[in-house]
Amino acid sequence: GAVVSQHPSWVICKSGTSVKIECRSLDFQATTMFWYRQFPKQSLMLMATSNEGSKATYEQGVEKDKFLINHASLTLSTLTVTSAHPEDSSFYICSARGAGERSYEQYFGPGTRLTVT
Amino acid sequence: GENVEQHPSTLSVQEGDSAVIKCTYSDSASNYFPWYKQELGKGPQLIIDIRSNVGEKKDQRIAVTLNKTAKHFSLHITETQPEDSAVYFCAASLGAGGGADGLTFGKGTHLIIQP
Repeated sequence: GAVVSQHPSWVICKSGTSVKIECRSLDFQATTMFWYRQFPKQSLMLMATSNEGSKATYEQGVEKDKFLINHASLTLSTLTVTSAHPEDSSFYICSARGAGERSYEQYFGPGTRLTVT
Repeated sequence: GENVEQHPSTLSVQEGDSAVIKCTYSDSASNYFPWYKQELGKGPQLIIDIRSNVGEKKDQRIAVTLNKTAKHFSLHITETQPEDSAVYFCAASLGAGGGADGLTFGKGTHLIIQP
């Protein structure tokens, strides 16, 4: 149980285009999902908290108009990187918070490698 | 906000020996401390966690200890095996208290198990 998937696993796009990344909880409902970014050989940095049915909460320094988050259902959150630039190239990882007794735990997806050329 | 420090950044041990990774945190309100293992190109995998109402937790070869007074927690891996080689991250959060309870991660420890 507690499996989280991401799609795509990797994507290459041209500068100025937009890219959508999907995060799904496969075997449980997740009212809260989180989006993290990880640069090579660095730690994970929280970008935003995604709550089903409401607006996302962004961390300081993260542009909400550039990183659009939609959490339309209890099993799906999407991150859209708009007008991508080479500096947006990174490993984007989502996590989903467990339910009930596991509400403290976060389960991570396999990540999406974004390369902007 | 929360700040998590993790040491060492790299740890090399002989197969069969023990490995210890230490973390400190700054926000006394944090009450949930998970440890993740990340292999190259993959997402982090939860290996063990501890809540602030517990001082120690063990799961087979892995154990975590927490000292809330000193605001530090440690990961202990005994009888290390080659497959334990990976990057390990500690993290802290306010738990499931609602609101912004995302994880603050340490910088990671690259654990190398020497055969």
